[in-house]
Amino acid sequence: QQPVQSPQAVILREGEDAVINCSSSKALYSVHWYRQKHGEAPVFLMILLKGGEQKGHDKISASFNEKKQQSSLYLTASQLSYSGTYFCGTGSPSDDMRFGAGTRLTVKP
Amino acid sequence: AAGVIQSPRHLIKEKRETATLKCYPIPRHDTVYWYQQGPGQDPQFLISFYEKMQSDKGSIPDRFSAQQFSDYHSELNMSSLELGDSALYFCASSLGGGAGNTEAFFGQGTRLTVV
Repeated sequence: QQPVQSPQAVILREGEDAVINCSSSKALYSVHWYRQKHGEAPVFLMILLKGGEQKGHDKISASFNEKKQQSSLYLTASQLSYSGTYFCGTGSPSDDMRFGAGTRLTVKP
Repeated sequence: AAGVIQSPRHLIKEKRETATLKCYPIPRHDTVYWYQQGPGQDPQFLISFYEKMQSDKGSIPDRFSAQQFSDYHSELNMSSLELGDSALYFCASSLGGGAGNTEAFFGQGTRLTVV
C-alpha cells in the first residue's frame, strides 16, 4: 500500500521554506526520501529508521514520527537546484519499499 | 564508486513481442527492486528480490517475470508487450533485505517504448 504525500505541488521563490509530508496507514520500518529530476533516476536524500529520528544535511532535513506513521521533509532557504519531484518511500513489515505519488517542487528566482 | 547499472538504456519493441531488462546492483548489494514509472507518474513497485529469492510482489502483470541470479544481477522478462507497457523501468539495489532498512540506490533506468 502506497504512502500518501502532501502537498501535490509547491511553488517557491528562492530562499523560501517548504514542508512535504508523508503518511502511511501501516506501521513502518523506515522512511526514505528521494528527489527526481525529469527523465532521471530518483536520487537518495536520506533514510530514517527510528521513531522520532531526525536527520539533515545542508538545508534539507526530515523527521519520522513512528507513532503517527508519518514523516516530514523540511527544505529551508530553497535554492533553484531543489526543484524536482520529491518522493517518500516507506518500508513496512509486510511491504518492501513503496513510493508515494510525489510532490512537485518548483523554485523560482 | 560503482552504481547500479541497467541495460539497455533504451528499447523499442512492437506489440506482442518480448523484452528482457537487466539490472546489475552495486557490488555486495543483495537486494534488488524493480519499478515501473509512466510519464508524470510515481514509481510503481513491481517486484523485489533478496538473496536470490523473491521478497515482495507488487503490481507486476502476469505477463512479466523476474529473477535474481547467483551474482545478484536481476532480469525482468516481459512478454506479450502492450502499448501500456511503455514506461521507464528502474531498478534499485540495497543491502540487507527488502523492507527498506538501508538506503536504496537507483539505476538510470531503461526506457521501453512499445509501438
